[in-house]
Amino acid sequence: KAGVTQTPRYLIKTRGQQVTLSCSPISGHRSVSWYQQTPGQGLQFLFEYFSETQRNKGNFPGRFSGRQFSNSRSEMNVSTLELGDSALYLCASKEGGGAEQYFGPGTRLTVT
Amino acid sequence: AQSVTQLDSQVPVFEEAPVELRCNYSSSVSVYLFWYVQYPNQGLQLLLKYLSGSTLVKGINGFEAEFNKSQTSFHLRKPSVHISDTAEYFCAVILLSGGSYIPTFGRGTSLIVHP
Repeated sequence: KAGVTQTPRYLIKTRGQQVTLSCSPISGHRSVSWYQQTPGQGLQFLFEYFSETQRNKGNFPGRFSGRQFSNSRSEMNVSTLELGDSALYLCASKEGGGAEQYFGPGTRLTVT
Repeated sequence: AQSVTQLDSQVPVFEEAPVELRCNYSSSVSVYLFWYVQYPNQGLQLLLKYLSGSTLVKGINGFEAEFNKSQTSFHLRKPSVHISDTAEYFCAVILLSGGSYIPTFGRGTSLIVHP
């Protein structure tokens, strides 16, 4: 099976802009989670989607949002970008109820 | 609330030497414990996991970890490291939340293997 794919791999945006990141899970996986990884804060959970519904949410402002489509693909949107949003954004997928998830390679977002 | 502490931010070691990466956690309920590895410019890869049963868990690439409930630790070990083991290692506590399992990660330990 193909692994988790994320597009784009690298992105440069300007403060105040918005950005959309995409994640395609492993075939058959219905759960998709998003994480932000920064040197200062480490790996932090953003949110999880399962069957097109947000099932869990981390402690991030409302500028961070996501959605999941009927084919389980997911997008994450960040509006009004700030310099502090520069990070590696990781997507992970898993079968519905399990604890083990599989990570994609990430999207490196740089905000200037 | 649960938390994970990785006691060493960086561990330098020579090739073929043994290594231990330390992880302590706090939680008021039973947890699952995972170790992940992240190579440069890549996502996280699961090394091993403790769900229940035997406290000694074996994973990929010759790594193993021991769950110690009394000391709330889950240290990762390898008897002989290779240059290719140079990477960032993350310990994670997995808790059930909203019908799903959500990880809380430690800050990571950078393993640097010297020739």
